Parts: sequence; C-alpha cells; structure tokens
Amino acid sequence: GAGVSQSPSNKVTEKGKDVELRCDPISGHTALYWYRQSLGQGLEFLIYFQGNSAPDKSGLPSDRFSAERTGGSVSTLTIQRTQQEDSAVYLCASSLKPEGTQYFGPGTRLLVL
Amino acid sequence: AQSVSQHNHHVILSEAASLELGCNYSYGGTVNLFWYVQYPGQHLQLLLKYFSGDPLVKGIKGFEAEFIKSKFSFNLRKPSVQWSDTAEYFCAVTGGSARQLTFGSGTQLTVLP
Repeated sequence: GAGVSQSPSNKVTEKGKDVELRCDPISGHTALYWYRQSLGQGLEFLIYFQGNSAPDKSGLPSDRFSAERTGGSVSTLTIQRTQQEDSAVYLCASSLKPEGTQYFGPGTRLLVL
Repeated sequence: AQSVSQHNHHVILSEAASLELGCNYSYGGTVNLFWYVQYPGQHLQLLLKYFSGDPLVKGIKGFEAEFIKSKFSFNLRKPSVQWSDTAEYFCAVTGGSARQLTFGSGTQLTVLP
C-alpha cells in the first residue's frame, strides 16, 4: 500500500520567509511524528500527534516552529521567519499505534538562503 | 532522558566481510529498539526491531541484532556484506512514556566491491 508521502520534496526559501511542509501519513495510522535531519545535529524529534490528544511539542526548537494535524490525518509543519540554521531535511513518520513501528516518508529538503 | 551511542562513525569493509555495528543506549526501563537504514538518495527504512521475547532478532537482507540487557546494547550484525549494503545505519530507541524515537548519530558503511 501507499507509504508516507511528503511535499514538497525540496524547498528553497529566503531568510525571514515562512514555509509550510506537508505530510500524508499511511492511511489508518493514528500516530504521526515530525523529525529533522541535519548535518550537525543528526536526527532530532520535533513533535508527535496521537489521535485527538494534545500534541507532544517537546522537541520544537523555538516558537517559530508549529504544526497541526487536521482530521487526524494530514499534518502541516510551519516554520515562521526562517533562519539559515533551519536548513535540514524534515522527516515525517507514522505508526499504526503509539508504541508501534514508525514508517518514514522521503522527507522535505529545506534550504534557507 | 534516553540517549543512544553509535561508536563507529564510518566503517569500510570489503565484500564478503562480516559486519558488526555497535549500539548502546541509556535508559533504565523497558525499551523498544530499532535499526533503520538509509540507502543513498532514499528514505529511512526499518531493518529490524526488538520489542520483547527472543533477544536475537532477524531483519531484512540477512541482518540480525542481539539485545543484551545487561550491557544496554543492541548491536547489528551481518555475516557477509555486499556492495549494496553501502548505506547509513541508525540505531534508535523508544522507552517509557516517550513515543518518539531517539536516534544514534549513525554509522556510514561503505562496502568496497
């Protein structure tokens, strides 16, 4: 079946602009995660959604980062006033249940000039 | 808080050599353990996982890993590597109430033909 999809695959933006990254999880998966992969920091957790519960935002690096998940499915990660250090690959993952195996999407490569 | 250490940053082997990649975690409670692989230009894929039961788990493409609780280790092994195993390998853990994956820094494996 279809895996996790993310769009856009690449995004180039200017410093100070806002960006939105989209994630479509595997159908029926209740848990959705955002991670960031960068050269200096490796793979870092950003935010976690489970069903209708309040999201776990403990990994968001600053208040410029926010995310929402509409209808328990699609999620959007928004970065406001982008900075060069936000350049990274943003990965989305989903799992059937909270403690289950996470399946990753192909990521969005963000470059902030 | 959980942490994961992968001591080998870059491993270079010839085809048919045996592989062992180290992974140690720090967390005092029950853990779930994972190895993910990222082939060049591709997204993260699950190699194998340990939730409970037999501490020796087998994954795809001939990989296996052994959970040794007393050593807080989950080393990845393959008896005979192939050129197509060239990739970056990530060890990850979830534990306790945390649902997000905590990743190690990754090991880049290069297999020479």
